This record gives sequence, structure tokens and C-alpha cells, in this order.
Amino acid sequence: GAGVSQSPSNKVTEKGKDVELRCDPISGHTALYWYRQSLGQGLEFLIYFQGNSAPDKSGLPSDRFSAERTGGSVSTLTIQRTQQEDSAVYLCASSLITSNQPQHFGDGTRLSIL
Amino acid sequence: EDKVVQSPLSLVVHEGDTVTLNCSYEVTNFRSLLWYKQEKKAPTFLFMLTSSGIEKKSGRLSSILDKKELFSILNITATQTGDSAIYLCAILWQAGTALIFGKGTTLSVSS
Repeated sequence: GAGVSQSPSNKVTEKGKDVELRCDPISGHTALYWYRQSLGQGLEFLIYFQGNSAPDKSGLPSDRFSAERTGGSVSTLTIQRTQQEDSAVYLCASSLITSNQPQHFGDGTRLSIL
Repeated sequence: EDKVVQSPLSLVVHEGDTVTLNCSYEVTNFRSLLWYKQEKKAPTFLFMLTSSGIEKKSGRLSSILDKKELFSILNITATQTGDSAIYLCAILWQAGTALIFGKGTTLSVSS
């Protein structure tokens, strides 16, 4: 596609449920990133994929968070046993792995935990 | 401890004004500094700055990086209501790593 695509755009769920967020990067972009944006906070890094492997998972806030990427393309971020503090906008970005190439963002998934 | 600090946090101006947004950072030996504009959804890329002292320009927007003093500025001349947005500054440590973002500057342009 022309840009980074994320789904769903909005997700409302009850505390304790599991959620899956999807990201479809720009075609040909080997690097894929997940960020989280909470009210009043900047974007916080969660996890980075190069191809299907994740060399940097340092931003995942707890073991309830996991992500995978298959076929070097689509990625899924899973949050298990959701808590209210997980409410945020989850943004995905992709880029080429060459110097001087910016990351391009999707519109995000707004997650609300009741 | 914040590595990227943006100021001001918010700004209200009238159409036609010129604004300067600031980004200071503590990260050294980084590859690039980036500016993004975020309206309702996706941050959209504005500039990537790698070298000190070289101004990048796009229409009414321009930006410059000072690696010695560790800051960057984003200038917007003749502001329009469509410039109202959150402007995000970020550091790219090296190719293929995560961006380190500041908290952003919220700009409101009134008509």
C-alpha cells in the first residue's frame, strides 16, 4: 500500500481481555517499529523488527506485551490481560534500513480499556 | 531523565505570525534529528537533519541543527490555521533503531 496501515483504528475492551493490534508496513520496508503515545506523554518506543526478528524489545513494558512479524511484512502487537494503564494510542512505523531514511507512521490504534 | 526536550510545550499565535519551536537534546554521536507534525492521527515527516548549520526548507517551514550546542529549531513563517498541530522532535541514534521523542510542542494558530 501507499502508507503504513493499522487496524483497528479504535478498540474498546474490558479490563482483563486480550487484544491484538495489526500493522501493515509500507511495501519494501524491512524495519518496523511499535510506539505508544499516552495522554500528555511523548511517543514511547516498544519494539523494533528487522525482517522477522526483533533485535530490540527493550521498550515492552511488561511480559503481557508481545509482538511478532511474519513474512517480513505484517506485524501484530498482542496485549494480554489488559489493564487500564494500557489505554493509549499505539503507533506503528516502518522504514528502509539505510541511512537518511525517515520512519513513516500509520494512523495508530486508539485503545481504551474500561 | 528526558534526553530530548522541546520548548515551549504549547504556543498560541495569530495567523500571519512567525514562530520558532525549540528542541534540545543530550544524546551525542547520533545519526539524525527529525521533525514531525502530528494533527489528529499519524505523525507526518517534515525534516531530517544530519549536518550542523545546513538549513532545510519546505515552503514556509525551515529547520536547522546545531550539533555543538545540541539543539535544533523549527521555524514557521506566515502561520496559517492549518499549521495548528503538535510538532514532535526526535533523535535517531543510528540507522535501524528507535526514535527518541520529545514530548512535543502544541501550536494553535487562531484566525
